[in-house]
Amino acid sequence: DGGITQSPKYLFRKEGQNVTLSCEQNLNHDAMYWYRQDPGQGLRLIYYSQIVNDFQKGDIAEGYSVSREKKESFPLTVTSAQKNPTAFYLCASSVQRTGNDRQYFGPGTRLTVT
Amino acid sequence: SQQGEEDPQALSIQEGENATMNCSYKTSINNLQWYRQNSGRGLVHLILIRSNEREKHSGRLRVTLDTSKKSSSLLITASRAADTASYFCATLKKSSGDKLTFGTGTRLAVRP
Repeated sequence: DGGITQSPKYLFRKEGQNVTLSCEQNLNHDAMYWYRQDPGQGLRLIYYSQIVNDFQKGDIAEGYSVSREKKESFPLTVTSAQKNPTAFYLCASSVQRTGNDRQYFGPGTRLTVT
Repeated sequence: SQQGEEDPQALSIQEGENATMNCSYKTSINNLQWYRQNSGRGLVHLILIRSNEREKHSGRLRVTLDTSKKSSSLLITASRAADTASYFCATLKKSSGDKLTFGTGTRLAVRP
């Protein structure tokens, strides 16, 4: 988990509310990623960013939004348009923009929407 | 569909035994990575093996890659109770640019 922080660890929201998950890294990495993990499943890519002020949609971007105004920070907003927002959200970063390198993961945020 | 599929989905062994997990994928890759996840935690990188490599070692871990069969295996030797976790393979496809695709994982339980 070293170098990447995610807050909070647990988050509870009412249906219809937007919620923003924080991800900060002090590793000076160019690339940052957001993944969603459902129980017993692998990780699915939501959004990724290779450089400040630029980001691309992953495989399941609908209902989510991101920003990358600073190299250290890549917040994820789960909007009310996301049909099934309850999940475990993981942020990651890597040195290289090409993906040809390992990723470093944060501890995750477990979001529950009722 | 998932690029990487791990097999078995779950594995239970006695402490001291070896554990072998397999990963199969469908399209050509640049590299394949193995990660470990303790329950409710983030993932920890174990090994990265590139498409021109056949075998890599790290401590008690051994990873093999067979690009002709589009498969990889992770061997954990002399397992310990602390090895209990989920293990994921992730592939960087040649066509995907810079995105990793994760499999669904193998849940390993090591009994003391």
